[in-house]
Amino acid sequence: NAGVTQTPKFQVLKTGQSMTLQCAQDMNHEYMSWYRQDPGMGLRLIHYSVGAGITDQGEVPNGYNVSRSTTEDFPLRLLSAAPSQTSVYFCASSYEPGRANNEKLFFGSGTQLSVL
Amino acid sequence: ILNVEQSPQSLHVQEGDSTNFTCSFPSSNFYALHWYRWETAKSPEALFVMTLNGDEKKKGRISATLNTKEGYSYLYIKGSQPEDSATYLCAFPANRDDKIIFGKGTRLHILP
Repeated sequence: NAGVTQTPKFQVLKTGQSMTLQCAQDMNHEYMSWYRQDPGMGLRLIHYSVGAGITDQGEVPNGYNVSRSTTEDFPLRLLSAAPSQTSVYFCASSYEPGRANNEKLFFGSGTQLSVL
Repeated sequence: ILNVEQSPQSLHVQEGDSTNFTCSFPSSNFYALHWYRWETAKSPEALFVMTLNGDEKKKGRISATLNTKEGYSYLYIKGSQPEDSATYLCAFPANRDDKIIFGKGTRLHILP
């Protein structure tokens, strides 16, 4: 089972460049989300989606865009990278959002991004 | 703004000793409380999802309790082993719009 797959694992960008972090899951999960991990800050929610065509902002959405055209994929776009976006990014998914928030999150392996 | 607090931030425990730490969350509009274990250079993995007041979950030497009325959950580790060294995160669905917010974690170090 592939689970949650993130690509790339590592990326170095220059300030102002754009890129897309890919996330795909093969578990038919409705709920997908992006977090960033920074020292001393734990995991902070960037954007999330409760199904195809539906997205919403998390705690730290500025500088990031998302879309959800299929159940399987939830890409995260950095439009103009800034050094403050240097971080480790995790994608996570789960079943049954909202009405039954008792389903655990499954995490991808992470993308380490450096913006110079 | 939803606030999920974990304490202590860091903990050093002698191998073989038992330990516990705390997750505090808003007691109103409770849906569920998640615990995750996060080893260095790996991804977080779920330990427990707790939904009922008074709930107690157990997985080997690790257990957790939940008090939704006062807004806290305890995670207990009995007879700590080196492989228990990790960061333990709790997470709280903010409300019915499905935001799952994490605390900053408790970093557990097991000393040989």
